[in-house]
Amino acid sequence: KNQVEQSPQSLIILEGKNCTLQCNYTVSPFSNLRWYKQDTGRGPVSLTIMTFSENTKSNGRYTATLDADTKQSSLHITASQLSDSASYICVVSHSNDYKLSFGAGTTVTVRA
Amino acid sequence: GAVVSQHPSWVICKSGTSVKIECRSLDFQATTMFWYRQFPKQSLMLMATSNEGSKATYEQGVEKDKFLINHASLTLSTLTVTSAHPEDSSFYICSARDLGDNSPLHFGNGTRLTVT
Repeated sequence: KNQVEQSPQSLIILEGKNCTLQCNYTVSPFSNLRWYKQDTGRGPVSLTIMTFSENTKSNGRYTATLDADTKQSSLHITASQLSDSASYICVVSHSNDYKLSFGAGTTVTVRA
Repeated sequence: GAVVSQHPSWVICKSGTSVKIECRSLDFQATTMFWYRQFPKQSLMLMATSNEGSKATYEQGVEKDKFLINHASLTLSTLTVTSAHPEDSSFYICSARDLGDNSPLHFGNGTRLTVT
Protein backbone atom coordinates (compact mmCIF):
# COMPACT_ATOMS: atom_id res chain seq x y z
CA LYS A 1 0.00 0.00 0.00
CA ASN A 2 1.31 3.41 -0.94
CA GLN A 3 2.36 5.44 2.06
CA VAL A 4 1.27 8.66 0.39
CA GLU A 5 -2.28 8.97 -0.91
CA GLN A 6 -3.46 11.97 -2.88
CA SER A 7 -6.97 13.11 -3.72
CA PRO A 8 -8.67 13.82 -5.92
CA GLN A 9 -6.99 11.95 -8.75
CA SER A 10 -7.93 14.76 -11.10
CA LEU A 11 -10.00 17.88 -11.15
CA ILE A 12 -11.14 20.54 -13.58
CA ILE A 13 -11.63 24.13 -12.50
CA LEU A 14 -12.46 27.40 -14.20
CA GLU A 15 -9.83 30.06 -14.51
CA GLY A 16 -9.85 32.39 -11.53
CA LYS A 17 -11.33 29.86 -9.14
CA ASN A 18 -9.60 28.32 -6.13
CA CYS A 19 -8.98 24.64 -5.45
CA THR A 20 -7.52 22.46 -2.73
CA LEU A 21 -5.61 19.23 -3.17
CA GLN A 22 -5.22 16.68 -0.40
CA CYS A 23 -2.34 14.47 0.68
CA ASN A 24 -2.59 11.86 3.41
CA TYR A 25 0.46 9.91 4.47
CA THR A 26 1.40 7.10 6.79
CA VAL A 27 5.16 7.63 6.69
CA SER A 28 6.47 7.71 10.25
CA PRO A 29 8.65 9.20 11.43
CA PHE A 30 8.90 11.70 8.65
CA SER A 31 11.41 14.41 8.00
CA ASN A 32 9.61 16.73 5.63
CA LEU A 33 6.76 16.97 3.16
CA ARG A 34 7.12 18.52 -0.28
CA TRP A 35 4.72 19.59 -2.97
CA TYR A 36 5.88 19.57 -6.56
CA LYS A 37 4.30 20.77 -9.78
CA GLN A 38 4.94 18.70 -12.88
CA ASP A 39 3.99 20.00 -16.28
CA THR A 40 3.32 17.37 -18.92
CA GLY A 41 6.57 15.95 -20.27
CA ARG A 42 8.71 17.91 -17.83
CA GLY A 43 10.44 17.20 -14.55
CA PRO A 44 8.78 18.18 -11.26
CA VAL A 45 9.44 21.63 -9.85
CA SER A 46 9.45 22.27 -6.11
CA LEU A 47 6.63 24.42 -4.75
CA THR A 48 6.98 24.04 -0.98
CA ILE A 49 8.88 22.11 1.65
CA MET A 50 7.61 21.77 5.22
CA THR A 51 9.17 20.09 8.21
CA PHE A 52 7.00 18.51 10.91
CA SER A 53 7.05 21.72 12.95
CA GLU A 54 5.64 23.89 10.16
CA ASN A 55 1.90 24.31 9.65
CA THR A 56 1.79 26.38 6.51
CA LYS A 57 4.01 27.61 3.74
CA SER A 58 3.21 29.81 0.79
CA ASN A 59 4.74 30.25 -2.62
CA GLY A 60 2.86 32.90 -4.53
CA ARG A 61 -0.66 31.63 -5.19
CA TYR A 62 0.21 28.24 -3.75
CA THR A 63 -0.30 27.63 -0.04
CA ALA A 64 0.51 24.32 1.60
CA THR A 65 -0.68 23.27 5.03
CA LEU A 66 0.49 20.44 7.20
CA ASP A 67 -1.09 18.70 10.17
CA ALA A 68 1.54 16.30 11.48
CA ASP A 69 -0.87 14.91 14.08
CA THR A 70 -3.40 13.72 11.53
CA LYS A 71 -0.73 13.18 8.87
CA GLN A 72 -2.53 15.34 6.36
CA SER A 73 -1.37 18.06 4.04
CA SER A 74 -3.19 20.23 1.55
CA LEU A 75 -2.15 22.44 -1.33
CA HIS A 76 -4.42 25.39 -2.03
CA ILE A 77 -4.27 27.16 -5.37
CA THR A 78 -5.72 30.66 -5.33
CA ALA A 79 -7.11 32.46 -8.37
CA SER A 80 -6.11 29.68 -10.73
CA GLN A 81 -4.52 30.45 -14.07
CA LEU A 82 -4.32 28.38 -17.23
CA SER A 83 -0.64 27.79 -16.50
CA ASP A 84 -1.59 26.00 -13.29
CA SER A 85 -2.72 23.04 -15.38
CA ALA A 86 -0.31 20.32 -14.31
CA SER A 87 0.14 17.34 -12.06
CA TYR A 88 0.78 18.13 -8.39
CA ILE A 89 2.78 15.59 -6.47
CA CYS A 90 3.08 15.18 -2.70
CA VAL A 91 6.39 13.71 -1.56
CA VAL A 92 7.19 12.64 2.00
CA SER A 93 10.74 12.11 3.23
CA HIS A 94 11.40 9.38 5.80
CA SER A 95 13.38 10.44 8.85
CA ASN A 96 15.29 7.24 9.23
CA ASP A 97 16.81 6.84 5.83
CA TYR A 98 15.63 9.94 4.01
CA LYS A 99 13.90 7.83 1.41
CA LEU A 100 11.16 9.57 -0.45
CA SER A 101 7.63 8.31 -0.88
CA PHE A 102 5.73 9.79 -3.81
CA GLY A 103 2.02 10.25 -4.11
CA ALA A 104 0.41 9.38 -7.42
CA GLY A 105 -0.35 13.04 -8.03
CA THR A 106 -3.44 15.11 -8.72
CA THR A 107 -3.94 16.28 -12.28
CA VAL A 108 -5.37 19.80 -12.36
CA THR A 109 -6.90 21.20 -15.52
CA VAL A 110 -7.75 24.89 -15.58
CA ARG A 111 -10.21 25.96 -18.27
CA ALA A 112 -10.92 29.43 -19.54
CA GLY B 1 18.80 28.73 -8.38
CA ALA B 2 20.04 25.18 -8.49
CA VAL B 3 19.53 23.51 -11.84
CA VAL B 4 19.70 19.92 -12.96
CA SER B 5 20.22 19.36 -16.66
CA GLN B 6 19.19 16.11 -18.28
CA HIS B 7 20.15 15.05 -21.77
CA PRO B 8 18.78 14.04 -24.18
CA SER B 9 15.21 15.22 -23.70
CA TRP B 10 13.95 12.51 -25.99
CA VAL B 11 15.45 9.56 -27.83
CA ILE B 12 14.18 6.87 -30.15
CA CYS B 13 16.19 3.68 -30.46
CA LYS B 14 15.82 0.22 -31.89
CA SER B 15 15.36 -2.90 -29.83
CA GLY B 16 18.62 -4.37 -28.66
CA THR B 17 20.57 -1.14 -28.68
CA SER B 18 21.77 0.78 -25.64
CA VAL B 19 20.93 4.33 -24.69
CA LYS B 20 22.80 6.63 -22.31
CA ILE B 21 21.07 9.42 -20.40
CA GLU B 22 23.07 12.13 -18.67
CA CYS B 23 22.15 14.05 -15.55
CA ARG B 24 24.21 17.07 -14.54
CA SER B 25 23.97 19.39 -11.58
CA LEU B 26 24.91 22.72 -13.08
CA ASP B 27 25.69 24.97 -10.14
CA PHE B 28 26.03 22.67 -7.16
CA GLN B 29 27.73 19.45 -6.25
CA ALA B 30 25.58 16.41 -5.72
CA THR B 31 27.07 13.42 -3.97
CA THR B 32 23.76 11.67 -4.45
CA MET B 33 21.51 11.63 -7.48
CA PHE B 34 18.33 9.68 -8.03
CA TRP B 35 16.90 8.03 -11.11
CA TYR B 36 13.18 7.52 -11.67
CA ARG B 37 10.92 6.25 -14.37
CA GLN B 38 7.40 7.41 -14.92
CA PHE B 39 4.67 5.77 -16.95
CA PRO B 40 1.78 7.81 -18.33
CA LYS B 41 -0.57 9.15 -15.68
CA GLN B 42 1.47 7.54 -12.93
CA SER B 43 3.80 8.99 -10.34
CA LEU B 44 7.54 8.73 -10.32
CA MET B 45 9.02 5.40 -9.33
CA LEU B 46 12.49 5.42 -7.85
CA MET B 47 14.80 3.10 -9.75
CA ALA B 48 18.11 3.68 -8.05
CA THR B 49 20.17 6.01 -5.94
CA SER B 50 23.42 7.05 -7.55
CA ASN B 51 26.33 7.69 -5.21
CA GLU B 52 29.43 9.52 -6.34
CA GLY B 53 32.45 7.27 -6.34
CA SER B 54 30.60 4.13 -5.33
CA LYS B 55 28.08 1.64 -6.63
CA ALA B 56 24.50 2.66 -7.10
CA THR B 57 21.78 1.33 -4.86
CA TYR B 58 18.95 -0.23 -6.84
CA GLU B 59 15.35 -0.56 -5.77
CA GLN B 60 13.78 -3.95 -5.58
CA GLY B 61 12.82 -5.27 -8.98
CA VAL B 62 15.19 -3.02 -10.93
CA GLU B 63 17.82 -4.95 -12.88
CA LYS B 64 21.21 -3.45 -12.20
CA ASP B 65 22.72 -5.12 -15.25
CA LYS B 66 20.10 -3.61 -17.49
CA PHE B 67 20.11 -0.12 -16.04
CA LEU B 68 23.76 0.78 -15.60
CA ILE B 69 24.45 3.80 -13.46
CA ASN B 70 27.73 5.66 -13.30
CA HIS B 71 28.33 8.60 -10.98
CA ALA B 72 31.94 9.44 -11.72
CA SER B 73 31.93 13.05 -10.58
CA LEU B 74 30.05 15.31 -8.19
CA THR B 75 28.12 16.87 -11.03
CA LEU B 76 27.40 14.01 -13.41
CA SER B 77 25.48 10.76 -13.23
CA THR B 78 24.60 8.62 -16.23
CA LEU B 79 21.96 5.97 -16.74
CA THR B 80 22.51 3.49 -19.56
CA VAL B 81 19.59 1.36 -20.65
CA THR B 82 21.24 -1.71 -22.15
CA SER B 83 19.70 -3.99 -24.74
CA ALA B 84 16.58 -1.88 -24.79
CA HIS B 85 13.17 -3.45 -25.35
CA PRO B 86 9.89 -1.75 -26.24
CA GLU B 87 8.70 -2.22 -22.64
CA ASP B 88 11.58 0.01 -21.54
CA SER B 89 9.86 2.88 -23.30
CA SER B 90 9.12 5.39 -20.58
CA PHE B 91 9.89 8.81 -19.17
CA TYR B 92 13.14 8.76 -17.20
CA ILE B 93 13.87 11.54 -14.72
CA CYS B 94 16.86 12.27 -12.55
CA SER B 95 17.09 14.41 -9.45
CA ALA B 96 19.77 15.72 -7.15
CA ARG B 97 19.73 17.17 -3.71
CA ASP B 98 21.65 20.37 -3.12
CA LEU B 99 22.57 20.25 0.56
CA GLY B 100 20.95 18.44 3.46
CA ASP B 101 17.73 16.49 3.61
CA ASN B 102 15.46 19.51 3.96
CA SER B 103 16.76 21.25 0.87
CA PRO B 104 14.73 21.04 -2.34
CA LEU B 105 15.20 18.05 -4.57
CA HIS B 106 15.96 19.41 -8.01
CA PHE B 107 14.68 17.43 -10.94
CA GLY B 108 15.87 17.27 -14.48
CA ASN B 109 13.36 17.78 -17.27
CA GLY B 110 13.27 14.11 -18.06
CA THR B 111 14.10 11.96 -21.06
CA ARG B 112 11.38 10.39 -23.17
CA LEU B 113 12.69 7.03 -24.37
CA THR B 114 10.90 5.22 -27.15
CA VAL B 115 12.17 1.80 -28.15
CA THR B 116 10.93 0.54 -31.50
